[in-house]
Amino acid sequence: NAGVTQTPKFQVLKTGQSMTLQCAQDMNHEYMSWYRQDPGMGLRLIHYSVGAGITDQGEVPNGYNVSRSTTEDFPLRLLSAAPSQTSVYFCASSPSAGRYEQYFGPGTRLTVT
Amino acid sequence: GDSVTQMEGPVTLSEEAFLTINCTYTATGYPSLFWYVQYPGEGLQLLLKATKADDKGSNKGFEATYRKETTSFHLEKGSVQVSDSAVYFCALKKSGGSNYKLTFGKGTLLTVNP
Repeated sequence: NAGVTQTPKFQVLKTGQSMTLQCAQDMNHEYMSWYRQDPGMGLRLIHYSVGAGITDQGEVPNGYNVSRSTTEDFPLRLLSAAPSQTSVYFCASSPSAGRYEQYFGPGTRLTVT
Repeated sequence: GDSVTQMEGPVTLSEEAFLTINCTYTATGYPSLFWYVQYPGEGLQLLLKATKADDKGSNKGFEATYRKETTSFHLEKGSVQVSDSAVYFCALKKSGGSNYKLTFGKGTLLTVNP
């Protein structure tokens, strides 16, 4: 199993540009989520999905869209990038509700100039 | 709402020193508790977990005990190594139902010098 994969690893955008961060998992996990990591802030939940076709907002959803058309993929779209979205983005997945831990991807470092 | 508070870093230790990173939480019911580790340039990896009161999670020489009475889950290691240098995150997840969300602390940077 490859686990949770994310692409790209690094990205630089200009203000106002849009892009999609890709996330895929091959563990047949129901739950997937996106976090952003900023210095001194820990990880904050952006959006999450409890299964294909079902998504919901997390703590900091503004400026981001998600969709979940398959169990495997959970892309994160930045509609119009802003410097405040400069961050490291992590995707995570979990097999089901309950006490299971989440598995994290390697992250995407995004810089918006 | 739920929250996790962990000691602020950075923490700098010499090799073979004893490590404690404090973590306390606020949550209703009986959450599951986790410690994640993030090595430089990598994603988070689960280090250990505990799912009920008085459980002790352990892995790679690290330990943490779920203390319901003090709402704490402090991370300890008896003898740290240079390779333990990383950021450590305490996290909780509510139990039961369809609640999947993890709530993280802000992280503690540990540097171990030879």
